[in-house]
Amino acid sequence: DAGVTQSPTHLIKTRGQQVTLRCSPKSGHDTVSWYQQALGQGPQFIFQYYEEEERQRGNFPDRFSGHQFPNYSSELNVNALLLGDSALYLCATKDTQKNGYTFGSGTRLTVV
Amino acid sequence: QKEVEQNSGPLSVPEGAIASLNCTYSDRGSQSFFWYRQYSGKSPELIMFIYSNGDKEDGRFTAQLNKASQYVSLLIRDSQPSDSATYLCAVNEGSTGGFKTIFGAGTRLFVKA
Repeated sequence: DAGVTQSPTHLIKTRGQQVTLRCSPKSGHDTVSWYQQALGQGPQFIFQYYEEEERQRGNFPDRFSGHQFPNYSSELNVNALLLGDSALYLCATKDTQKNGYTFGSGTRLTVV
Repeated sequence: QKEVEQNSGPLSVPEGAIASLNCTYSDRGSQSFFWYRQYSGKSPELIMFIYSNGDKEDGRFTAQLNKASQYVSLLIRDSQPSDSATYLCAVNEGSTGGFKTIFGAGTRLFVKA
């Protein structure tokens, strides 16, 4: 049973560019949340998707957007990248009826 | 923004000792509480969840919840060097329907052999 798959694993972008990160949830999981984790910090909630809609959003600007597909996979898009967007981006999935997330291995984004 | 507070540590304990990790949260409406373990360079891994006041035990781990004091703790008995990691406390924010899970900054634990 495959776990949560994220791609790419590493990415280097230039300020002002746009980036798309992808997540395939664990089998049976229909809820996808995205988190940003800076070095030495806990994960910060970006947003959650369920039934292809954004169900909840954290304190992130509109430059951060997402999408969930009918197969429950999800994308995180970040426009107009800033140096401060450099972080580990984590996808966390769950069965909406159950507690606790399964995390993917993350995408390390570096903005130069 | 509701908050989850943890002592950043590092907490250092000898092998075989009990490690005690603590967490406080601000949202009185929160109903579900989690502990995740994160090894350096890896993603978080769920190790315990609790939603009733009192203790919940799973192997060497015991989670303790006191909603009146807005306090969650994790005890690790017979600590092993392999337990050395950052432990993240997480809380489902009750005031927003429980869909948002907020994490603390984590406590680094070192278990000395």
